[in-house]
Amino acid sequence: GQNIDQPTEMTATEGAIVQINCTYQTSGFNGLFWYQQHAGEAPTFLSYNVLDGLEEKGRFSSFLSRSKGYSYLLLKELQMKDSASYLCAVSTEYGNKLVFGAGTILRVKS
Amino acid sequence: GAVVSQHPSWVICKSGTSVKIECRSLDFQATTMFWYRQFPKQSLMLMATSNEGSKATYEQGVEKDKFLINHASLTLSTLTVTSAHPEDSSFYICSARDRFDGRVGEQFFGPGTRLTVL
Repeated sequence: GQNIDQPTEMTATEGAIVQINCTYQTSGFNGLFWYQQHAGEAPTFLSYNVLDGLEEKGRFSSFLSRSKGYSYLLLKELQMKDSASYLCAVSTEYGNKLVFGAGTILRVKS
Repeated sequence: GAVVSQHPSWVICKSGTSVKIECRSLDFQATTMFWYRQFPKQSLMLMATSNEGSKATYEQGVEKDKFLINHASLTLSTLTVTSAHPEDSSFYICSARDRFDGRVGEQFFGPGTRLTVL
């Protein structure tokens, strides 16, 4: 079966750094995506990892370890607008479905 | 680039009626589109995979006769909720894969359709 785990909720302070973890156990692996979703809106793409290591993109970075089935999303210099749900998704078959985790609700407080 | 639109963005209907939701890829061709539903504070649940020119593939537990999917062109897929009931009220999101480009497995999401069945 397919299983993707993320923490349900996290709270962090404006200006701080937060790390959202994702562990996965899937029947195949063709890449891992992180999406941001604000309430009532569609998910928007944040990052993609297919090889081990860190991908940096402005205030957002994502890390992948395929041997451990583990990824994290790192958000730096948190802003209030970063309050959203963050979804970890794994591409398990070439050109086919994404399997989504339940999402992590991040609340940024001032 | 890679813009996906949905129409309508929200709809309210009476129980027993049917509702059609359109999903369009505006600047790319999409041989594969996906339909998800999402309940409040929950993640996306894949309902079906829609392939241009062929029958959709439904996930386990999704009634194909209730959720009719048509993918008649490379830029349009439609989801029709037939004989809608209040329990069908949800946020429906479509996504599309670019036929020629994109990372393996990458999907571009539409803005979603909020369906409320009275």
